[in-house]
Amino acid sequence: GQQVMQIPQYQHVQEGEDFTTYCNSSTTLSNIQWYKQRPGGHPVFLIQLVKSGEVKKQKRLTFQFGEAKKNSSLHITATQTTDVGTYFCAEVHRDNYGQNFVFGPGTRLSVLP
Amino acid sequence: GAGVSQSPRYKVAKRGQDVALRCDPISGHVSLFWYQQALGQGPEFLTYFQNEAQLDKSGLPSDRFFAERPEGSVSTLKIQRTQQEDSAVYLCASSLGRVAGDLNEQFFGPGTRLTVL
Repeated sequence: GQQVMQIPQYQHVQEGEDFTTYCNSSTTLSNIQWYKQRPGGHPVFLIQLVKSGEVKKQKRLTFQFGEAKKNSSLHITATQTTDVGTYFCAEVHRDNYGQNFVFGPGTRLSVLP
Repeated sequence: GAGVSQSPRYKVAKRGQDVALRCDPISGHVSLFWYQQALGQGPEFLTYFQNEAQLDKSGLPSDRFFAERPEGSVSTLKIQRTQQEDSAVYLCASSLGRVAGDLNEQFFGPGTRLTVL
């Protein structure tokens, strides 16, 4: 079946250090979405990437879609304690029935002050 | 405006009981999704509605799970004869999705944490 993998599973960084999480798929992705879930909270949409090689920035966050559309990355520059949470990538999967979303297992980020 | 709301926020059920989880999507949102999230895992897709039509229920783990959205707004996820493995957070999300196949961000509700004893 369809699988979306994320690495690393956990990442502990010192405040101010950079952080990157990677999302990989065994199949070509039509598009990818990224979400952030704070501890005890619910997923919150961050960005959607559609085009091959696309790069989007949101302040200290940089999102990239691979040229082959099989992988994506999220990079955070100079992490802050407010960045703590789990970051999920999600592939939008369309089939004969409509659409659904396949989420990766997430990368849990801890930021030490 | 108000976001997606879910009720109850917490539910404890004895094994074998039936439960009903409610989702109120953002007004005007066409698409509605249900997910199951186990501790430490990503959300797992259960089912998808476009208005009142349930277009995809491929993620429902068994015939004990049933979802409906009869008037194209509020949705209910029902689990019959609950089992311990049903314990999880059940998330509802809605998106604008005006056109079939349209891609929009999902707005998640706070979830219902179900514990089956």
